[in-house]
Amino acid sequence: DARVTQTPRHKVTEMGQEVTMRCQPILGHNTVFWYRQTMMQGLELLAYFRNRAPLDDSGMPKDRFSAEMPDATLATLKIQPSEPRDSAVYFCASGSNGGANYGYTFGSGTRLTVV
Amino acid sequence: GDSVTQMEGPVTLSEEAFLTINCTYTATGYPSLFWYVQYPGEGLQLLLKATKADDKGSNKGFEATYRKETTSFHLEKGSVQVSDSAVYFCALRSGNTPLVFGKGTRLSVIA
Repeated sequence: DARVTQTPRHKVTEMGQEVTMRCQPILGHNTVFWYRQTMMQGLELLAYFRNRAPLDDSGMPKDRFSAEMPDATLATLKIQPSEPRDSAVYFCASGSNGGANYGYTFGSGTRLTVV
Repeated sequence: GDSVTQMEGPVTLSEEAFLTINCTYTATGYPSLFWYVQYPGEGLQLLLKATKADDKGSNKGFEATYRKETTSFHLEKGSVQVSDSAVYFCALRSGNTPLVFGKGTRLSVIA
């Protein structure tokens, strides 16, 4: 089965450090999403891209978060500087823009702990 | 904007019990509706979907019917197993907009 690959699976870092999370979407999927999951907020959409162009990043704290797609096989989410409140599981998902009928395929997530 | 409301958990059931997890939605237009499942330590997986009113989605013994009149998409299973223990998310999608998720319902099935 095709899958979305996220690295690293786990990351522990100190406050103030830079964190980069990577995602390889499914080949042929032209839409990539970044979600954050916490106990308090549930699943929050941070940003998404279609055909590598950013469509919406209103869910991201702009001062410290950035998301990019340098090519069709790689999406990155960067936090600089990281803070303890950023501790969460970050999911990447990919899909096609075939319309409302289609769901997404999720990666296994990156569990980030900022101490 | 569009939104999804799920019953709060956790839900604890004995093996072979009947499961219902309620989900209602608010949307402009005619969204597609989805149930995703998340097993411990994993990402979300699509469980089932329905794309128009009165459609029934089904998979692995789970079912949900798209009820436009009550704006609902309740998840049901006739006989749960321990392996069904997971978090279940109801979601909707209108057009090409991103999926909107409910907050999730944790299900624990005990032997």
